[in-house]
Amino acid sequence: DAGVIQSPRHEVTEMGQEVTLRCKPISGHNSLFWYRQTMMRGLELLIYFNNNVPIDDSGMPEDRFSAKMPNASFSTLKIQPSEPRDSAVYFCASSPPRTGGRTEAFFGQGTRLTVV
Amino acid sequence: AQSVTQLDSQVPVFEEAPVELRCNYSSSVSVYLFWYVQYPNQGLQLLLKYLSGSTLVESINGFEAEFNKSQTSFHLRKPSVHISDTAEYFCAVSALSGGSNYKLTFGKGTLLTVNP
Repeated sequence: DAGVIQSPRHEVTEMGQEVTLRCKPISGHNSLFWYRQTMMRGLELLIYFNNNVPIDDSGMPEDRFSAKMPNASFSTLKIQPSEPRDSAVYFCASSPPRTGGRTEAFFGQGTRLTVV
Repeated sequence: AQSVTQLDSQVPVFEEAPVELRCNYSSSVSVYLFWYVQYPNQGLQLLLKYLSGSTLVESINGFEAEFNKSQTSFHLRKPSVHISDTAEYFCAVSALSGGSNYKLTFGKGTLLTVNP
């Protein structure tokens, strides 16, 4: 398996533009996570899905952020409109069917977003 | 809700010296514990995990961590580090978070820099 695949790897956009980050989880995994990493805040969980259903979106910073998982093999994280403070590395991770939380998450390479 | 505290944001050491990266957690329920490593410009990779049984767990590259329930700690150690161990290390806790779903929460990371 190729692992968790994220696209694009790098994104530079102007303030006010819409940004869409994409993620393909590992086949067979049924949990998917979106994290944001910054120097100031470290690694923050934004939202996670279980069987394509959003379970916890309490980490989504504000209404400008939205995430979808239309099927088991694809998820998007959208920011509209984008702001400079959204600049960060965004990671997608997936994990196989959980046996009581014992399973680790497998991370993609991340998308480095720069909003100018 | 669970939380993870990594007490040191940066740890510089010389090659072949021992190192300990500290991690404390808080949770009102039983937890599973993980250490992840992040090399520059890459995603996080699992280093080792504690699920149950022996409180001392080891990785294939010489790291070990000990689960101490009374002190709610899961410190990471290596008796002799190499230049190639330079990376950021994240401690993480998996615990029940609403219903039957488990949530993986990360600490802010510790940057280990191994100098020649």
